[in-house]
Amino acid sequence: QKEVEQDPGPLSVPEGAIVSLNCTYSNSAFQYFMWYRQYSRKGPELLMYTYSSGNKEDGRFTAQVDKSSKYISLFIRDSQPSDSATYLCAMLHYGGATNKLIFGTGTLLAVQP
Amino acid sequence: NAGVTQTPKFRILKIGQSMTLQCTQDMNHNYMYWYRQDPGMGLKLIYYSVGAGITDKGEVPNGYNVSRSTTEDFPLRLELAAPSQTSVYFCASSDRRGGGTSTDTQYFGPGTRLTVL
Repeated sequence: QKEVEQDPGPLSVPEGAIVSLNCTYSNSAFQYFMWYRQYSRKGPELLMYTYSSGNKEDGRFTAQVDKSSKYISLFIRDSQPSDSATYLCAMLHYGGATNKLIFGTGTLLAVQP
Repeated sequence: NAGVTQTPKFRILKIGQSMTLQCTQDMNHNYMYWYRQDPGMGLKLIYYSVGAGITDKGEVPNGYNVSRSTTEDFPLRLELAAPSQTSVYFCASSDRRGGGTSTDTQYFGPGTRLTVL
């Protein structure tokens, strides 16, 4: 079983739609949960991170973590064509020198104008 | 600040050739990483470094070598290129100093697209 599972998509939505992107994980030691956005032929960039269960909002983006279910989500409200990208979830087990991120496979999102 | 820069952007190698992928960061970050990204496979950690002179293996180190002689540079060496090393390679860096909690935000370079034929 993979430590982090993510639906690869592709996901195609009309402009203005609410988008839900999800990941599940198996390692209960993960402490930080992140979402990276990767535009085509670019490097990933950090979009949001959360530390504990609950919601965190930043503009049109909301990150949600449910540690009891080992499930995280990223919601995008009023989606825009500029949101078209691959979204990667990533999880971190903080401690010692081995501070490694475990990435999901990424979900390709296309927002149609 | 340029952030994390990688060269070259693209490269085609023949089987058995060697090359070095260059990575430089100007943010004075202590941690640096090399990942490879294959379609549908996400990012896999190849090697990482916690500071100059210190490197360690990641998840998929076979066929690669690294060195870290300065804080800024973290080159990745492929000695005998194989078709299985066709991939997009990303270098990243993060600043992790002192104690306490850290989100360990990793900043990525633009990537190097490598094809081995």
